[in-house]
Amino acid sequence: NAGVTQTPKFRILKIGQSMTLQCTQDMNHNYMYWYRQDPGMGLKLIYYSVGAGITDKGEVPNGYNVSRSTTEDFPLRLELAAPSQTSVYFCASSYRAGVTEAFFGQGTRLTVV
Amino acid sequence: ELKVEQNPLFLSMQEGKNYTIYCNYSTTSDRLYWYRQDPGKSLESLFVLLSNGAVKQEGRLMASLDTKARLSTLHITAAVHDLSATYFCAVEGPGGGADGLTFGKGTHLIIQP
Repeated sequence: NAGVTQTPKFRILKIGQSMTLQCTQDMNHNYMYWYRQDPGMGLKLIYYSVGAGITDKGEVPNGYNVSRSTTEDFPLRLELAAPSQTSVYFCASSYRAGVTEAFFGQGTRLTVV
Repeated sequence: ELKVEQNPLFLSMQEGKNYTIYCNYSTTSDRLYWYRQDPGKSLESLFVLLSNGAVKQEGRLMASLDTKARLSTLHITAAVHDLSATYFCAVEGPGGGADGLTFGKGTHLIIQP
């Protein structure tokens, strides 16, 4: 059981470039989330989804976009990368929000230079 | 706005000693989660606390939740080096967890021989 899989694991972007962080889960979870973690800080929610076709903004959505065309996939799009987006990005999924824990992917370490 | 505060943020302790990490949060919530993160790794779920007075134990770790005081504690008994990690508490938002979790900044725990 692979769980939550993120790709790539590492990426360096130049300012103004765009990229998509991929996230796939094979647990048939409806709830999926994108967080970012800055050094010495907790995680902050970027976007979340409660099911295919439904997405909503979290605490720090500016500069990002998401889509949820299937239950399994929840890609995060960065448009016009900025140094402030240098961070570690975690995708997570949950079977039943508020009852069961969220499972996290291994993270994508992104540096914008 | 939901705020989650952990203290201490950094803790260095000796093997064999006991210590407690505190997690305070600012709004009413019946559910709280504890996660562990090793350096450069993802987050691993430790405990899911779903009601007032909930207490859970796993090995040398015990977590409790007091929703009236808006306080959770993570108690470490007879610490061993393998418990060195960063520990996060997280509280669900007003959407009952469907809209993600709010994390504390984490407690960086170092256990020395």
